[in-house]
Amino acid sequence: GAGVSQSPRYKVTKRGQDVTLRCDPISSHATLYWYQQALGQGPEFLTYFNYEAQPDKSGLPSDRFSAERPEGSISTLTIQRTEQRDSAMYRCASSLGGTTDTQYFGPGTRLTVL
Amino acid sequence: AQTVTQSQPEMSVQEAETVTLSCTYDTSENNYYLFWYKQPPSRQMILVIRQEAYKQQNATENRFSVNFQKAAKSFSLKISDSQLGDTAMYFCAFTDRTASKLTFGTGTRLQVTL
Repeated sequence: GAGVSQSPRYKVTKRGQDVTLRCDPISSHATLYWYQQALGQGPEFLTYFNYEAQPDKSGLPSDRFSAERPEGSISTLTIQRTEQRDSAMYRCASSLGGTTDTQYFGPGTRLTVL
Repeated sequence: AQTVTQSQPEMSVQEAETVTLSCTYDTSENNYYLFWYKQPPSRQMILVIRQEAYKQQNATENRFSVNFQKAAKSFSLKISDSQLGDTAMYFCAFTDRTASKLTFGTGTRLQVTL
């Protein structure tokens, strides 16, 4: 596609529920990233994919968070048993090749956990 | 670990004036990449400018330019002829070949006034 897209744009859920966020990167881009951004802060790295491989998931805050990119294109980020502290903007970005290439961000998914 | 510091939480500038946003970083690497991203009220994350550390020439994109001082580990953004549409949060970011992510500063909120 022309740019990175994410869905849903807004998600409100109750504590304890599972949520899945979706990212559709720029079609020619091999590398896809997930970031978490708290209000008033810069984005914090969660994980990244090179095609379907996931070389680094060191930023995932707990084992409740998982991500996949099974066909090397669309990716999903799943948060199980959501907690109020998970409330944040979740941003996806993609880059053409390696991790030093420019990252282009999607519009984000704003998650609110009640 | 790499760190990025933005010491100006908020700045204000009048329309048509010039403003400079500061950013410093810490790294032991010699080859790295620096970015400025803009986050307007819509909360999109938009690339403003990119600088490769091996290039001595400062990057320029229309009204936006950087002052890259490698020895001082400083990477400031100059916005000339400020426009109301420049009102946004500005984030400085860093990556290098050993990293799998962008490391962001805490941001500077810029308000352009009439």
